[in-house]
Amino acid sequence: DGGITQSPKYLFRKEGQNVTLSCEQNLNHDAMYWYRQDPGQGLRLIYYSQIVNDFQKGDIAEGYSVSREKKESFPLTVTSAQKNPTAFYLCASSWTGEGYEQYFGPGTRLTVT
Amino acid sequence: ELKVEQNPLFLSMQEGKNYTIYCNYSTTSDRLYWYRQDPGKSLESLFVLLSNGAVKQEGRLMASLDTKARLSTLHITAAVHDLSATYFCAVETHTGNQFYFGTGTSLTVIP
Repeated sequence: DGGITQSPKYLFRKEGQNVTLSCEQNLNHDAMYWYRQDPGQGLRLIYYSQIVNDFQKGDIAEGYSVSREKKESFPLTVTSAQKNPTAFYLCASSWTGEGYEQYFGPGTRLTVT
Repeated sequence: ELKVEQNPLFLSMQEGKNYTIYCNYSTTSDRLYWYRQDPGKSLESLFVLLSNGAVKQEGRLMASLDTKARLSTLHITAAVHDLSATYFCAVETHTGNQFYFGTGTSLTVIP
């Protein structure tokens, strides 16, 4: 089955530690995205990538880093510089160009204490 | 930055009733998307609206787009409990592939 997988589903970390969230897709999509969702709020774009080895910052990129070494994979690292990392993180992918909907993974809930 | 506003933010309605959710956005775009999110879950695509006047219907939900007014609506007809969820609209920018999401409308359908 084609789709987007994210792992782990739940992640707990101590403050000051970096953590990497996995996102893999087998939809052959060129574009991939990372969003952050806080309780009762909409999605905010962290980073996106439209092609391998290239990515752009979204509105809230500070404290996060990404890589796009393979078309299928777009891991997100939450660094210790991110002041409020506890949130629900959603990965999405789509075809490039205009008018293509995004398909979302199941999400990773990160809790940092 | 493109702003996307939804209202109402919270909606409690009785089964069998009709209601409309509104999505206003601040810049020119003719590409708007509606998604559904169940509690603790991911987002599921509902509608893709790609031109002024576009109307899409699926079951008890109907979405429309007025690009001149920068407004999309999601109309619920004869609500049922299974429609309880949070609904998001998202606007795509002309620079390509970047989406801005509304704050969501949390819908609860009461028997």
